[in-house]
Amino acid sequence: AQSVSQHNHHVILSEAASLELGCNYSYGGTVNLFWYVQYPGQHLQLLLKYFSGDPLVKGIKGFEAEFIKSKFSFNLRKPSVQWSDTAEYFCAVRYFASGGSYIPTFGRGTSLIVHP
Amino acid sequence: DADVTQTPRNRITKTGKRIMLECSQTKGHDRMYWYRQDPGLGLQLIYYSFDVKDINKGEISDGYSVSRQAQAKFSLSLESAIPNQTALYFCATSGGGGNEQFFGPGTRLTVL
Repeated sequence: AQSVSQHNHHVILSEAASLELGCNYSYGGTVNLFWYVQYPGQHLQLLLKYFSGDPLVKGIKGFEAEFIKSKFSFNLRKPSVQWSDTAEYFCAVRYFASGGSYIPTFGRGTSLIVHP
Repeated sequence: DADVTQTPRNRITKTGKRIMLECSQTKGHDRMYWYRQDPGLGLQLIYYSFDVKDINKGEISDGYSVSRQAQAKFSLSLESAIPNQTALYFCATSGGGGNEQFFGPGTRLTVL
């Protein structure tokens, strides 16, 4: 089975610090890559996505992610975090399965706490 | 944003009871999914459906069943609830191809 690894389970930062959350996947074929955010008590919502083209993707709220195919990675970055970025972050990979369907697989998530 | 709704939002039940969680969407998407979220485990796919006549098991389907009553409705049933099914359950939808998923607000289920 395909897997998605998020290396940082809990991250604690102070406001204005830089953020990088790691995401690696195991599938060598065609994939679509996503980062979702879940604010406390809310549902998941999309931060950014990569399908093809420029491997550096910019999302909402100042987040960006870089796809490095050779490393099977899609790391999320933000130069300066804010208290409102406190949330859980999920990396997700859609890979091509038998029958032509894209099945999404999620990582275990990274809990980010930003202190004011 | 009420494009994907789930009922109930919270439910406490007892071991052995049958429970149905419902999901409705107004996004016109063909694809619908049920996930459960447990702390530290992320989201695990229970079932998914790519159209009304298509139902597929996910990675943790044991103990669950689903029904796709219409394009807009996808229900998850626990035939005989057990305590380790206590979790947060999310419904999601997506359009064709490799598009993003849109999630409902979640149902917090507690099985005593």
